Amino acid sequence: DAGVIQSPRHEVTEMGQEVTLRCKPISGHDYLFWYRQTMMRGLELLIYFNNNVPIDDSGMPEDRFSAKMPNASFSTLKIQPSEPRDSAVYFCASTLGGWDTEAFFGQGTRLTVV
Amino acid sequence: DAKTTQPPSMDCAEGRAANLPCNHSTISGNEYVYWYRQIHSQGPQYIIHGLKNNETNEMASLIITEDRKSSTLILPHATLRDTAVYYCIALTQGGSEKLVFGKGTKLTVNP
Repeated sequence: DAGVIQSPRHEVTEMGQEVTLRCKPISGHDYLFWYRQTMMRGLELLIYFNNNVPIDDSGMPEDRFSAKMPNASFSTLKIQPSEPRDSAVYFCASTLGGWDTEAFFGQGTRLTVV
Repeated sequence: DAKTTQPPSMDCAEGRAANLPCNHSTISGNEYVYWYRQIHSQGPQYIIHGLKNNETNEMASLIITEDRKSSTLILPHATLRDTAVYYCIALTQGGSEKLVFGKGTKLTVNP
């Protein structure tokens, strides 16, 4: 397996634009997580899914953020409208069985909002 | 409140053992100690986990004190590629706790 695949690797967008980040988890994994990392706040959990169903989105900072998982092999994180403070590296991770099993992370998407 | 505390930074000479400490004096009896690391510009990577017995795999060894109040991650022969931030995390297996990362320890392996 190629691991967790995220796209794009880098995204530069203007304030107010819609941004969509994509994630393909490892085949067969039933949990998917979205994290955000900044220098100030470190790694923050935004939302996680189990069997394509959102379980906990309490980490989503604002209504401008939304995430979907239409099937077991694809998830999106959307920011609309984007703001400069959304600039960060966004990571997707997947596991088989939950929090206590080895989490595999993607390479991340570096988002810059200007 | 954080369940684990780690020194913010450490240095190690290449080829020597790197011993990264973690204090977790308040973890419960069913909480495992997990270690992840994050190499610059990459996503976090799982290293090892344990409950009370010492554990070893191809990456590292984990030594947990008998009272489970602290543990040490050992990289037996550190290389420059081991330079990373190392995170120590307490988790209950099968529980609802989330994989939450603290600030970790920045390990710098020097040539």
